[in-house]
Amino acid sequence: EPEVTQTPSHQVTQMGQEVILRCVPISNHLYFYWYRQILGQKVEFLVSFYNNEISEKSEIFDDQFSVERPDGSNFTLKIRSTKLEDSAMYFCASHDWREHYNEQFFGPGTRLTVL
Amino acid sequence: AQTVTQSQPEMSVQEAETVTLSCTYDTSESDYYLFWYKQPPSRQMILVIRQEAYKQQNATENRFSVNFQKAAKSFSLKISDSQLGDAAMYFCAYGRGSRLTFGEGTQLTVNP
Repeated sequence: EPEVTQTPSHQVTQMGQEVILRCVPISNHLYFYWYRQILGQKVEFLVSFYNNEISEKSEIFDDQFSVERPDGSNFTLKIRSTKLEDSAMYFCASHDWREHYNEQFFGPGTRLTVL
Repeated sequence: AQTVTQSQPEMSVQEAETVTLSCTYDTSESDYYLFWYKQPPSRQMILVIRQEAYKQQNATENRFSVNFQKAAKSFSLKISDSQLGDAAMYFCAYGRGSRLTFGEGTQLTVNP
């Protein structure tokens, strides 16, 4: 069964460093998302992406964040200058509007630790 | 803005028994979707069940069923014949447009 994959599974970085989290959505999906979950808290929407542009973003997704689909398979989240409070689990998700409205398939997550 | 509330931070159930997890939400929209996601210790988000707001019939998926009360904005999850593998964090989510809005989660423990 097709699935969303994410790399790396765990990323440790120093405060102020740039990180890029990578995702490979399900191949025929058209909509891509990033969510984050701070340990012990709820999952929060960051951004949605369709047709090579951001379709919606939350108040969390400030100028430090950017997303990109550099090729036909990858979808990346970049944090330019990490802060301690960016430590969280980051989930990528994708879905195909033609199949199941709003049924988003999640990747296994990348645990980001900022020291 | 839409909000989702899960008032039970923790629940426990005996193996083979039935448990119900509560969820309420707030929206002014009439067309939306509701979901229950399961998050085991691996932290993978797994879709358990979905409900379209325009459908009056409650969704079911094997041992999992929902009680969707649109007027009351309530969306509870019933797990029948609970199994040890059901132990996880369960998140209720509201979906409309491109984002999902999640509740705080309910940690379910299944006792043998």
